[in-house]
Amino acid sequence: AQTVTQSQPEMSVQEAETVTLSCTYDTSESDYYLFWYKQPPSRQMILVIRQEAYKQQNATENRFSVNFQKAAKSFSLKISDSQLGDAAMYFCAYSRPLGAQKLVFGQGTRLTINP
Amino acid sequence: NAGVTQTPKFRILKIGQSMTLQCTQDMNHNYMYWYRQDPGMGLKLIYYSVGAGITDKGEVPNGYNVSRSTTEDFPLRLELAAPSQTSVYFCASSYAQMNTEAFFGQGTRLTVV
Repeated sequence: AQTVTQSQPEMSVQEAETVTLSCTYDTSESDYYLFWYKQPPSRQMILVIRQEAYKQQNATENRFSVNFQKAAKSFSLKISDSQLGDAAMYFCAYSRPLGAQKLVFGQGTRLTINP
Repeated sequence: NAGVTQTPKFRILKIGQSMTLQCTQDMNHNYMYWYRQDPGMGLKLIYYSVGAGITDKGEVPNGYNVSRSTTEDFPLRLELAAPSQTSVYFCASSYAQMNTEAFFGQGTRLTVV
């Protein structure tokens, strides 16, 4: 079975600075998808960024980028120019590439932005 | 476009009571899912459905039942509520083609006392 581990329960960063959230995963499959979801206090799950395992290029979405290390099974999220609205729980998730998107989530990292 | 709508948003149940959490989506998605999120934890898959009339168990199905009579609706049934089912429940949906984004509802906070 696949597992996802986030070893940082909490992180904090100064506004406008850069922060990196860590995620490792375990799978025996060669093809899969990895995701970072944001959960603000409203509880809404919001997709931040997605990486397909067969793509070597790291995904980027504006101020959000990932460092995908397939051999190390590592998938970190970098947030540049942190803003107050980035404060939330962040979840790393794994999914197989075909069929139902049965997401396996990590435990989450609570990100605080200090003004 | 409403997306994924869950009702109710909050509910308190007594031990042994039953209830149905409603979920509907208006995006014509084939796949629908139910997750639960315990305090301080990530989401875990309870049940999922790949289309009307087809459902399957996820990681934590015990104590729950689902049905999928239409593409739009995917209700989750708790028959005999237990304190261990105190959680936040999320419904989600996605397209069948490729592995596209899953859209989540806003969740139902359920407390069993």
